[in-house]
Amino acid sequence: EVLLVQSGGEVKKPGESLKISCKGSGYTFSGYWVAWVRQVPGKGLESLGIIYPGDSDTRYSPSFRGQVTISVDKSTNTAYLQWTKLKASDTAIYYCARRGYEKLAVLDRWGQGTQVTVSS
Amino acid sequence: QSALTQPRSASGSLGQSVTISCTGTDDDIGGYDYVSWYQQYPGKAPQLIIYDINKRPSGVPARFSGSKSGTTASLTVSGLQADDEAAYFCSSYAGSQIERFGGGTKLTVL
Repeated sequence: EVLLVQSGGEVKKPGESLKISCKGSGYTFSGYWVAWVRQVPGKGLESLGIIYPGDSDTRYSPSFRGQVTISVDKSTNTAYLQWTKLKASDTAIYYCARRGYEKLAVLDRWGQGTQVTVSS
Repeated sequence: QSALTQPRSASGSLGQSVTISCTGTDDDIGGYDYVSWYQQYPGKAPQLIIYDINKRPSGVPARFSGSKSGTTASLTVSGLQADDEAAYFCSSYAGSQIERFGGGTKLTVL
């Protein structure tokens, strides 16, 4: 069974750093792009960026370039999303999702989501 | 880049059909035949229900169908059932391996 399991919820203060994770199993992790998607409660979905574990090719949505860093550890089948200085506006649920094999804009498996709360 | 535009809400009676629109630009929907739709229940992760404009993943009922004309994509849910009540999000490829999402439509089954 294909699974993406994300790390638990986090409560942080503005200015702090954070790294959340997404561990894939049940498929060849290195062969599928992994996307990160943000959802502010009651709002739509936003694509932060995407990484190809096979060669660490990483692309960012223009709105999030420089705001977050996406990385991967192939040895543990884990993708990461990190911030160096959190802001209150980063409060949201963050999902990782697998892109369908050789597909574009098709996220066929999703993690359970990680709630990130940034508050002083 | 702006999000794709969806109506905030839609509704239909049990057994009827409802269509949800998703409007973009030539840089996304109008430029590529890669439109997907996702269903999301409260407190749950989104789930893929339509990809490549009108294809259904295994297990998704044929009551869900998609189409595209110009810069607007549409999702039609036929034979509405109670458990179709959920939020629906569209997405389109927007180049450079990035997808763009819509703001979501809350579907109410009357």
